[in-house]
Amino acid sequence: SAVISQKPSRDICQRGTSLTIQCQVDSQVTMMFWYRQQPGQSLTLIATANQGSEATYESGFVIDKFPISRPNLTFSTLTVSNMSPEDSSIYLCSVSPQGATGELFFGEGSRLTVL
Amino acid sequence: AQSVTQLDSQVPVFEEAPVELRCNYSSSVSVYLFWYVQYPNQGLQLLLKYLSGSTLVKGINGFEAEFNKSQTSFHLRKPSVHISDTAEYFCAVSPGFQKLVFGTGTRLLVSP
Repeated sequence: SAVISQKPSRDICQRGTSLTIQCQVDSQVTMMFWYRQQPGQSLTLIATANQGSEATYESGFVIDKFPISRPNLTFSTLTVSNMSPEDSSIYLCSVSPQGATGELFFGEGSRLTVL
Repeated sequence: AQSVTQLDSQVPVFEEAPVELRCNYSSSVSVYLFWYVQYPNQGLQLLLKYLSGSTLVKGINGFEAEFNKSQTSFHLRKPSVHISDTAEYFCAVSPGFQKLVFGTGTRLLVSP
């Protein structure tokens, strides 16, 4: 398993600003992912955070809006840029630890409200 | 591509009653299947998973699920629910590359 810490746990932001979410894992992991959970909806994969290279984005998500960094095997950041109320969501970091058999482990999420 | 359908958005049930949460999936390749639970204001926790082998999978908190390949289903069951089981339950599928595709979730509401 893995223990995942996300910061901030929640925030209220103004339209047009940007916010960076941090994800720290207690062990080295190969795969790290960022998901979005909009109010009352399921989880949607934003991107795979690749260590030492550019993130791989899913359809509908772009680097300019959601820049991601992954400087090492235990840490990643997701920035939500130029926020609008439609970006109000829970953003979840997830990892697949070494030895895991397919499942992902999730942080507790960062709940963003954009006014 | 894979997809997951959770047929019930909300399931109300009385405490100590049995419950079944339905999940159907679509995939052109073999997949791994998962059930996650999300308690209010928390992240997702793995309940159980099916990778291969026995089609009946037992998980935490007394939950189990049965993989049915012919019906492409992976329904979650519990013989007797508790108030503390009130939560959102997500079924998910993966082709094996750790990229999970989630269903829309089922809210289980357990009342006394």
